[in-house]
Amino acid sequence: GAGVSQSPSNKVTEKGKDVELRCDPISGHTALYWYRQSLGQGLEFLIYFQGNSAPDKSGLPSDRFSAERTGGSVSTLTIQRTQQEDSAVYLCASSLEVQGTYEQYFGPGTRLTVT
Amino acid sequence: GQSLEQPSEVTAVEGAIVQINCTYQTSGFYGLSWYQQHDGGAPTFLSYNALDGLEETGRFSSFLSRSDSYGYLLLQELQMKDSASYFCAVRDRNQGGKLIFGQGTELSVKP
Repeated sequence: GAGVSQSPSNKVTEKGKDVELRCDPISGHTALYWYRQSLGQGLEFLIYFQGNSAPDKSGLPSDRFSAERTGGSVSTLTIQRTQQEDSAVYLCASSLEVQGTYEQYFGPGTRLTVT
Repeated sequence: GQSLEQPSEVTAVEGAIVQINCTYQTSGFYGLSWYQQHDGGAPTFLSYNALDGLEETGRFSSFLSRSDSYGYLLLQELQMKDSASYFCAVRDRNQGGKLIFGQGTELSVKP
């Protein structure tokens, strides 16, 4: 079947604007993860969902960041009042379940540029 | 908290063998994963070790020593297409399913 998809692939926005990033996980995957990757850096965990619940939001950098997941499928990451330091690639991944499954499948990412 | 250390870059020639080391600190170790990421691409899963020892998958092998909090990825018969960034990542049993990634090792394979 199809892999993880993300949209948009690229987003350029002005400082202070809000943005929404979308992730469509692999069908049937109950676990969904958001990571952020700055240029030449590792992946920084933001939040994960088990079904529609987010047991761990510890990685969200500030209260400007929020995420939701509906129907156990699509997830949206929202960044309000964007700042230049938010510029990064935002990666979404999914896995069959949270515990006991070790492989996460990543989407191609959304490259966010805040000007 | 958790932390991982891996070399920032490694260079090798085609046909050679290269080993990328990873040391980690975590309170509730659950397993060590390796991911490959080509420039501009998504990370893709390579291997996972939960128990001590060597796991082999084709040209790639991964090793874990839990007592030493250490693992490595071994790439044999290097090819130009292996040029990429390689990330180790730990799962912590106290942290749900999230992965904590190292900073990545950029592997350059030269002719």
